[in-house]
Amino acid sequence: EVQLVESGGGLVQPGGSLRLSCAASGFTFSNYAMNWVRQAPGKGLEWVSGISSTGYSTYYADSVKGRFTISRDNSKNTLYLQMNSLRAEDTAVYYCAKVDGSWFGDRAFDMWGQGTMVIVSS
Amino acid sequence: QAVLTQPSSLSASPGASASLTCTLRSGINVGTYRIYWYQQKPGSPPQYLLRYKSDSDKQQGSGVPSRFSGSKDASANAGILLISGLQSEDEADYYCMIWDGSAWVFGGGTKLTV
Repeated sequence: EVQLVESGGGLVQPGGSLRLSCAASGFTFSNYAMNWVRQAPGKGLEWVSGISSTGYSTYYADSVKGRFTISRDNSKNTLYLQMNSLRAEDTAVYYCAKVDGSWFGDRAFDMWGQGTMVIVSS
Repeated sequence: QAVLTQPSSLSASPGASASLTCTLRSGINVGTYRIYWYQQKPGSPPQYLLRYKSDSDKQQGSGVPSRFSGSKDASANAGILLISGLQSEDEADYYCMIWDGSAWVFGGGTKLTV
């Protein structure tokens, strides 16, 4: 069964850091690009970051550039999102999403995890 | 002005058809882009429905019924998700998305009530 399971969410103070993980199973993780997408409570979807299958290419939304870092460990079938200098507006459910190809540009997000909640509050 | 604009809500009756629009900002030509559509039900992650650029460049998501289809209205500069034979289970939020060359952009979503 193809599965994506996020973890690492929680409550963090403004200015703090958090590292999210997304464990993949049921498919050859190293063949596919991956993304992080977030959804603030009661709001719509916002793309956060993407990474190619090899990890060599990464992209970020302007809202997180310089604060968040996406990475992957293909030997562990795991995607990561290191989040630093967190702000209240980063509060959201964070989803990892698999791309139906090795390059994440202009390809569908064909599988999503259940998400992990991040709350930034003092 | 947002890159992608979707009506916040739409209501339709069971068995009828619903046309959900995704209007691109002026100056961005809908003909250039693949439009991706996602469905999200309360408490669940989004699910991929389909993508549409043209009749020769389209893709249906795995297991997605054929009553979900995509098209474009060039005169309105909009992508369209058409849902025919509406069922109660189609009640959900629907999001459109495009790749602008360096970033993914989502529309604000449409809440469909059946």
